[in-house]
Amino acid sequence: DGGITQSPKYLFRKEGQNVTLSCEQNLNHDAMYWYRQDPGQGLRLIYYSQIVNDFQKGDIAEGYSVSREKKESFPLTVTSAQKNPTAFYLCASRRQGMETQYFGPGTRLLVL
Amino acid sequence: QQQVKQSPQSLIVQKGGISIINCAYENTAFDYFPWYQQFPGKGPALLIAIRPDVSEKKEGRFTISFNKSAKQFSLHIMDSQPGDSATYFCAASSPGGGADGLTFGKGTHLIIQP
Repeated sequence: DGGITQSPKYLFRKEGQNVTLSCEQNLNHDAMYWYRQDPGQGLRLIYYSQIVNDFQKGDIAEGYSVSREKKESFPLTVTSAQKNPTAFYLCASRRQGMETQYFGPGTRLLVL
Repeated sequence: QQQVKQSPQSLIVQKGGISIINCAYENTAFDYFPWYQQFPGKGPALLIAIRPDVSEKKEGRFTISFNKSAKQFSLHIMDSQPGDSATYFCAASSPGGGADGLTFGKGTHLIIQP
């Protein structure tokens, strides 16, 4: 069963804590993306990666970090520098040469 | 700077009616315009997409109308059903297949009343 998986579904962060959101895809897609969704704000791009070991900042990268050590995986770390982390985080992937981005089910991050 | 403006923010339509959601863009380099449908607590799913070389694209009850000169495009849902109740996002990407990501509108919360 191919697709994009994100875990956990819900994540709680304490003050000053770094947390990592997982995104895995078995679609053999080259490009992967992280978006943040806030109510009434649409989706905003955090980071993206077109190939392994390479990634670029999106529109709202401050307070976040990523890695792309494997084609299948693109984890997102929400650092303590992100002062307003409460949001719904969505991972997406895209095949090289195609335009469609496919989204995972999302992770909801809440601050304790 | 909001590059894709979407309206209305919310919309209520009677079952069987036509739902219309509008988007306007600023960047003339955009060349791919998808619409996504999102149900609560789920990730968005591609509904239909269009390129600026055509003025209309239809898939079942869903139609995109595109006006390149006005830099506007819209989604029409014919014979709207309660199962269409969801949030709809328009988006746009620059040449290269959207390699650097999609720019999204802020979304329209659609409710179809039975």
